[in-house]
This record gives sequence, C-alpha cells and structure tokens, in this order.
Amino acid sequence: QAHLVESGGGLVKPGGSLRLSCTASGFTFSDHYMGWLRQAPGKGLEWISYISNNGRDVFYADSVKGRFTISRDNAKNSLYLQMNNLGAEDTAFYHCARAIAVAGLFSGFDPWGQGTMVTVSS
Amino acid sequence: EKVMTQSPATLSVSPGETATLSCRASQSVGSDLAWYQQKPGQAPRLLIYGGSTRATGIPARFSGSGSGTEFTLTISSLQSEDFAVYYCHQYNGWPPGAWTFGQGTEVEI
Repeated sequence: QAHLVESGGGLVKPGGSLRLSCTASGFTFSDHYMGWLRQAPGKGLEWISYISNNGRDVFYADSVKGRFTISRDNAKNSLYLQMNNLGAEDTAFYHCARAIAVAGLFSGFDPWGQGTMVTVSS
Repeated sequence: EKVMTQSPATLSVSPGETATLSCRASQSVGSDLAWYQQKPGQAPRLLIYGGSTRATGIPARFSGSGSGTEFTLTISSLQSEDFAVYYCHQYNGWPPGAWTFGQGTEVEI
C-alpha cells in the first residue's frame, strides 16, 4: 500500500530556509509524478509544486516561484522541497502527494502524506 | 485563474441522511475535477476523479456528477466517519499552475 512520510518542518525566521523531505514506500516511486501541496492553519488546500517522474520537468505556483525548488532522488524513493526566503505567508502544513494518471493524464493526488508543519516567525 | 466555489460552507446532516455538496467553476473545466475528504488531523484522501469515478477503495455511497462548471458530490446514508471537510479540485489545463481548489465544505452532525 502506497505510503508517504514528510519530514523537515519546523520554526524558521523570516528570510530563512528549510528543506522538506518526503519518503515513499509501497509503490514504484520512479513511475509517478509527485507534488507538494500546503494548507495554512484553518485554511484550504494550495498546490505549490509538481515534478515529473524522471525529475526533468518541474512546475511551481506563482506564490513560490523563484523561492522554492522541488527535486527527487528515485534511488532513495525520496522527494524534496528546498524553501528559501520564507515569509509568514508560507506558514502551513506541507504535504507531499503522489499523482495518479488515467490513460496518461493527471487525475488527482493519491495518497497524501500526513504533512509537516512549517512556521515562519521571528 | 479558474475559481472554484463550493457551497454550502457548512452542511449539517444526521447519520443515515444524504448530503449533497456543490462545486462551481468560474469557467468550464470539462470533467477534470476531483473530490477529496479531509478529517481533522489527517491528510486529504482522494474520493472521486474525472468528475464521477470513485478512487480505489472508496465506498459506493460516495458519488460524483457533473461536468463543465457544475459538479456535485453526493454522500448517501451518511455514516459517522463521513463527517469531514470536502474539497473539490479542478485540474483542467496545463501547466499545473492552472489547477485550483475550492475552499471546502464541512459536513457536520
């Protein structure tokens, strides 16, 4: 059964950096596109980044473009999110999620990891 | 940007009843719509994709319908474990920056 576990969250000062990790198990990681999504406390869901199965194609939401970098290591079944120049607006639970595809087309994120909390505060 | 509007914000129902949740898109998204369930302290879970296809392991009491700009998630014979927040997610268009979520509907007792 597919399972994702995030780590690396914590408290960071404005302007600081963090690197999140997501470890996958129970499926062939290298077969799947992966995404990062976040949820501010008490708020809804926001997609922030997406990476192809081989890592060559990456995409970002405008809100994080130029500050966040997504990457993956298929040999380690791991997904990463390097976050730089963090601001209060980045305070949220960060979830990694596997993209599912039907007939080669994106059809949703399943499963999601439990998330890791990032708090940006002085 | 395609704005997704969910209604109502909160839906009060009793166990055994049927809940009907709405999701409206500001522009057509075809059938590129998913529904997720999120319980407190848990990760979201995919329920429906393609507007109407149940994800693996999702009970038949969950059904999705609609296309274009109007979508509905129906939960029949509500069970206690169904009380949660439900989000719609449109994934029409490429690149993924075009994807957006609704603000959620809380189904409460």
